Amino acid sequence: ILNVEQSPQSLHVQEGDSTNFTCSFPSSNFYALHWYRWETAKSPEALFVMTLNGDEKKKGRISATLNTKEGYSYLYIKGSQPEDSATYLCAFTNAGNNRKLIWGLGTSLAVNP
Amino acid sequence: ETGVTQTPRHLVMGMTNKKSLKCEQHLGHNAMYWYKQSAKKPLELMFVYSLEERVENNSVPSRFSPECPNSSHLFLHLHTLQPEDSALYLCASSHSLAGGPLSGELFFGEGSRLTVL
Repeated sequence: ILNVEQSPQSLHVQEGDSTNFTCSFPSSNFYALHWYRWETAKSPEALFVMTLNGDEKKKGRISATLNTKEGYSYLYIKGSQPEDSATYLCAFTNAGNNRKLIWGLGTSLAVNP
Repeated sequence: ETGVTQTPRHLVMGMTNKKSLKCEQHLGHNAMYWYKQSAKKPLELMFVYSLEERVENNSVPSRFSPECPNSSHLFLHLHTLQPEDSALYLCASSHSLAGGPLSGELFFGEGSRLTVL
């Protein structure tokens, strides 16, 4: 069974704090790992797609790392701002002929001003 | 207008009603998707269309009937739904099926919040 787990489920931080959260996925049969950002009442937006072990991606204050051997990815936000408040979803794609995009439940981040 | 637009944003219907959800994308993409998001569950893929042909149907009950008349429009026709079908229905598109959700990125609409009474 392919399962993606995200932790923590929710997180409250103060403006200016740096934070990180985790996505765990099956370490075998890896193809790609995706991060999406979903603000309330808006549409989910793609942040990163990572395919290689050791990949690091960065977009502004947000960055992500990938460890395919142990099956985890970290998302980091440096100097959180209220506009970073959103649910951060990760999704895993398995390799092989029957590829699926398997979603986690997300980490809900609230940044207090 | 750009991006992926879904209408209506909110819909309340009885179990015997027939209604439709509409999705329109202005991105020139060739693949479109319906997803269901229920409380405390991950996103569930319902249907996939590529070049207006249905390529995936993930064991969705027949009370949900998709239609893709052209590569810019996708509908989800709803008939005799159950209260447990209440959820957020998200439409998404990608440049192509191969370059889409599996290795690229999906572009989502804001969703249609459906309540079945």
